[in-house]
Amino acid sequence: AQSVAQPEDQVNVAEGNPLTVKCTYSVSGNPYLFWYVQYPNRGLQFLLKYITGDNLVKGSYGFEAEFNKSQTSFHLKKPSALVSDSALYFCAVSTAGNNRKLIWGLGTSLAVNP
Amino acid sequence: DTGVSQNPRHKITKRGQNVTFRCDPISEHNRLYWYRQTLGQGPEFLTYFQNEAQLEKSRLLSDRFSAERPKGSFSTLEIQRTEQGDSAMYLCASSAGGGTANQPQHFGDGTRLSIL
Repeated sequence: AQSVAQPEDQVNVAEGNPLTVKCTYSVSGNPYLFWYVQYPNRGLQFLLKYITGDNLVKGSYGFEAEFNKSQTSFHLKKPSALVSDSALYFCAVSTAGNNRKLIWGLGTSLAVNP
Repeated sequence: DTGVSQNPRHKITKRGQNVTFRCDPISEHNRLYWYRQTLGQGPEFLTYFQNEAQLEKSRLLSDRFSAERPKGSFSTLEIQRTEQGDSAMYLCASSAGGGTANQPQHFGDGTRLSIL
């Protein structure tokens, strides 16, 4: 069965420090991987995706993610965190042939402290 | 703003009442999805349309739930005889088609349903 794991419920970082939000996945076939961010009482905003090609994907708001096939991971990173990055982050995966349905992680709450 | 629009943003109703939510997707998107999200959880897939055809429906969706997308544009989600457990945020998303799984889904801000 396909699944996504976000092993950390919460991540705390100081403003200006690098941040990492972890995601691992389990799929049969080639994965399509996505990161979304959710602010309070809002829908999810697309940040970036990995489909194929370079393992390092750059997205919105200075975020990037590294696809690691051997570790089945797709960790979200940012070199210098901002207080405004504090939000809920979701990793999701889909594969071709599954009606484009996304399988979601449970989310990681990121708190960036001033 | 030409993003995904959901109405109403909030709905408070008594248990047993029927409610209907509307979603207007991004105009050129032919795929439309409904999700349910409760506090501290990721989105749960409910159903999915390609144009006007409802192609998949989650087993989570009881027969009290029905969704339509009559002309392949906006969609409605109706819940009949609401129950306390229906209290959640209902999210709509749309994406471009093309037969691939790699198009990102774009979400509306959701309808928060509270059952009294």
